[in-house]
Amino acid sequence: NAGVTQTPKFQVLKTGQSMTLQCAQDMNHEYMSWYRQDPGMGLRLIHYSVGAGITDQGEVPNGYNVSRSTTEDFPLRLLSAAPSQTSVYFCASSYDGSRKKLFFGSGTQLSVL
Amino acid sequence: ELKVEQNPLFLSMQEGKNYTIYCNYSTTSDRLYWYRQDPGKSLESLFVLLSNGAVKQEGRLMASLDTKARLSTLHITAAVHDLSATYFCAGSGTYKYIFGTGTRLKVLA
Repeated sequence: NAGVTQTPKFQVLKTGQSMTLQCAQDMNHEYMSWYRQDPGMGLRLIHYSVGAGITDQGEVPNGYNVSRSTTEDFPLRLLSAAPSQTSVYFCASSYDGSRKKLFFGSGTQLSVL
Repeated sequence: ELKVEQNPLFLSMQEGKNYTIYCNYSTTSDRLYWYRQDPGKSLESLFVLLSNGAVKQEGRLMASLDTKARLSTLHITAAVHDLSATYFCAGSGTYKYIFGTGTRLKVLA
């Protein structure tokens, strides 16, 4: 049982480059979300989705784009990377919106130079 | 808009001692969650608290919820080195989970 799988684990980008962080879950969870973790700031919600075709913004959505074409996958796109986007990114899913615990992926450490 | 505050941010304690981490939240929250994160690792769910007065215990950790005070506590009893980690609380509502800044706990032998 894989749970929530994130790729890549590490990535270095140059300012202005674009990339996609991948997230997949095999638990048939309707709810999926992306967080960034920065020292001293906890986890901040970037975007979330309550099902295929439905996405919405979280606390810090600027500079990020998401789509949800299937229940399993929820990729996060950085359109034009900036040094301020250097962070650790976590994907998480849950069975029932915000009423059940989140299952987290292993994280992606992103550095933007 | 839900906001979640934790304190302390850092906690260094000796083995065998007791301590409490506090989690305050600003508005009604559907649930209150506690997670643990080991260095360089992902987050792992510890407790889900559903209603006022809820108390859950697992080993040396006990979490409680007071919805009237908008306060949850994570109590550590007779700390051991293996409990060294960062602990996060999170509230939820309207499809959003909002996390506190975390408490980095270091248990000294």
